[in-house]
Amino acid sequence: DAGITQSPRHKVTETGTPVTLRCHQTENHRYMYWYRQDPGHGLRLIHYSYGVKDTDKGEVSDGYSVSRSKTEDFLLTLESATSSQTSVYFCAIWDGLWEKLFFGSGTQLSVL
Amino acid sequence: SQQGEEDPQALSIQEGENATMNCSYKTSINNLQWYRQNSGRGLVHLILIRSNEREKHSGRLRVTLDTSKKSSSLLITASRAADTASYFCATDSRTGANSKLTFGKGITLSVRP
Repeated sequence: DAGITQSPRHKVTETGTPVTLRCHQTENHRYMYWYRQDPGHGLRLIHYSYGVKDTDKGEVSDGYSVSRSKTEDFLLTLESATSSQTSVYFCAIWDGLWEKLFFGSGTQLSVL
Repeated sequence: SQQGEEDPQALSIQEGENATMNCSYKTSINNLQWYRQNSGRGLVHLILIRSNEREKHSGRLRVTLDTSKKSSSLLITASRAADTASYFCATDSRTGANSKLTFGKGITLSVRP
């Protein structure tokens, strides 16, 4: 356990509403990532951060924004949720010493 | 687009048998990693092999890397029911200090008791 907490664990929302998912880490790691996991697609990178206020896009960033105002928190926002954003969202941190990702437990998001 | 492609998509074996899973990728890499995901959980790192390594062992895991063929294999020996999970390969095509792992679609392994 690398001290990663995702919240909420489950969320059901309606199309067009804003949604924010939170990832909190206690290990002071620099790099944090948001992935989505869908059947038939595996894990796809949405956005990542390489420091406070430093973020960049991944391969499926359309419709998502992120913010990192503190080292420990990385927020993923869906400004106007769509049904295609129904997915399981995973936050991960990069441990540069061991060269591996540690994942949170995921957030199951359903957009109706 | 995804870098790693695992094969087969699903594998069912008897407890005690060996499980072999393959991964192919398209571009040059710094290293390749394998992760496991139990149902309803996040991914857990299993093993990393660098681009200048050909084989690596960790307990019952053996991973090989052939950079000329752009492929890797993960062997789990003497499988157990607890090995039932999804397995993902991930390629690290790092530029500078920023690591961006790209995952395949995963292999579902079922180990029958």
